[in-house]
Amino acid sequence: GQNIDQPTEMTATEGAIVQINCTYQTSGFNGLFWYQQHAGEAPTFLSYNVLDGLEEKGRFSSFLSRSKGYSYLLLKELQMKDSASYLCAVLDSNYQLIWGAGTKLIIKP
Amino acid sequence: NAGVTQTPKFRILKIGQSMTLQCTQDMNHNYMYWYRQDPGMGLKLIYYSVGAGITDKGEVPNGYNVSRSTTEDFPLRLELAAPSQTSVYFCASSYSMENEKLFFGSGTQLSVL
Repeated sequence: GQNIDQPTEMTATEGAIVQINCTYQTSGFNGLFWYQQHAGEAPTFLSYNVLDGLEEKGRFSSFLSRSKGYSYLLLKELQMKDSASYLCAVLDSNYQLIWGAGTKLIIKP
Repeated sequence: NAGVTQTPKFRILKIGQSMTLQCTQDMNHNYMYWYRQDPGMGLKLIYYSVGAGITDKGEVPNGYNVSRSTTEDFPLRLELAAPSQTSVYFCASSYSMENEKLFFGSGTQLSVL
């Protein structure tokens, strides 16, 4: 079966750095997405990786290793507004998105 | 641009009732999707559409129906509501399926009692 694993919950301190991991086992691979979802709101797009390596976008970076079936989202200079759930999703060989359950990130002052 | 507009935001249904969740997008996207999101689980695809007049089942289509008469609109119909359909529903759209990000509606919190 297809599976995406990410930690259920993480806690970090304002101003610090946090890394949210995602491992996947899917039928084929056509890219990996990260979305942010604040409580009670819709997911919003953060990043897309299809090649190995690091993609940097301001305070957020996303890394992909296809051979290891692994990605991480790195958030720097954490702000209180970064408190949200972070969803990892993989586009499989049929171009269907397989979603992880999400990681709830709690930022403490 | 309004993006993806989804209504209603909240709804309570009795078992056996029916309802339609409305979804419209103004980005001229060909691809539209309906997802449900349950606590502790990833988004599950209910139905999707690759263009007007074309719909297909996703992972969890039972108990739902869709239609796509125009590019803009993609309503989701619940027939004979059951408690298992209590969930948060999201409509989404994208330009393509390959590598395009999804744009989501604001969601519908549905309770079936």
